[in-house]
Amino acid sequence: QSVLTQPPSVSAAPGQKVTISCSGSSSNIGSNYVSWYQQLPGTAPKLLIYDNNKRPSGIPDRFSGSKSGTSATLGITGLQTGDEADYYCGTWDSSLSAGGWGIFGGGTKLTVL
Amino acid sequence: QVQLVESGGGVVQPGRSLRLSCAASGFTFSSYGMHWVRQAPGKGLEWVAGILYDGSNKFYADSLKGRFTISRDNSKNTLYLQMNSLRAEDTAIYYCAKCRREITQYGMDVWGQGTTVIVS
Repeated sequence: QSVLTQPPSVSAAPGQKVTISCSGSSSNIGSNYVSWYQQLPGTAPKLLIYDNNKRPSGIPDRFSGSKSGTSATLGITGLQTGDEADYYCGTWDSSLSAGGWGIFGGGTKLTVL
Repeated sequence: QVQLVESGGGVVQPGRSLRLSCAASGFTFSSYGMHWVRQAPGKGLEWVAGILYDGSNKFYADSLKGRFTISRDNSKNTLYLQMNSLRAEDTAIYYCAKCRREITQYGMDVWGQGTTVIVS
């Protein structure tokens, strides 16, 4: 069971917009930056968003991120069939013991209808 | 270009050990924290372990503590994962990933292609 909660699946038509939520707690999302990763079928994950809302070089501005309190959201506009993938949120959990650990959400499968 | 290449995976019997390696190139390896992340067949990503840029601090998933050990050799630009007492549930693709910064609390901006471990 993941500490970060994501919807298992979302879907939308090409050209439309979709949002994916990621819910955590004060010790993880509430205290640390959130990243989002895209995993296309059969490939390694790829960083989409870091520090809550920043895009690495080469990531189109159709992808956006936000954070409020203990929740984060990934937004994708102008959906394309090539966006069909699994999306994961990730952050650090700052436990008082052992210095903390990394955590991911359970993943959300995006289907572009 | 920035690259991470994992190796050392394979088929291993339950209870045995395996050491994974991750060779880094194209960046100053000794300046960045590193992680191991795994993905069981058909499942999501699971964080395994992280290590600071200089190896001074290491962090582990609670469920793996005591069986897995992360380490690095900055002179060889290589990250390691020693896995002992392997179980069937350790079967997964194991990815190494580079942190954006020297410590582990930040996002993972470069990922390897993964190495497959099958415990059977």
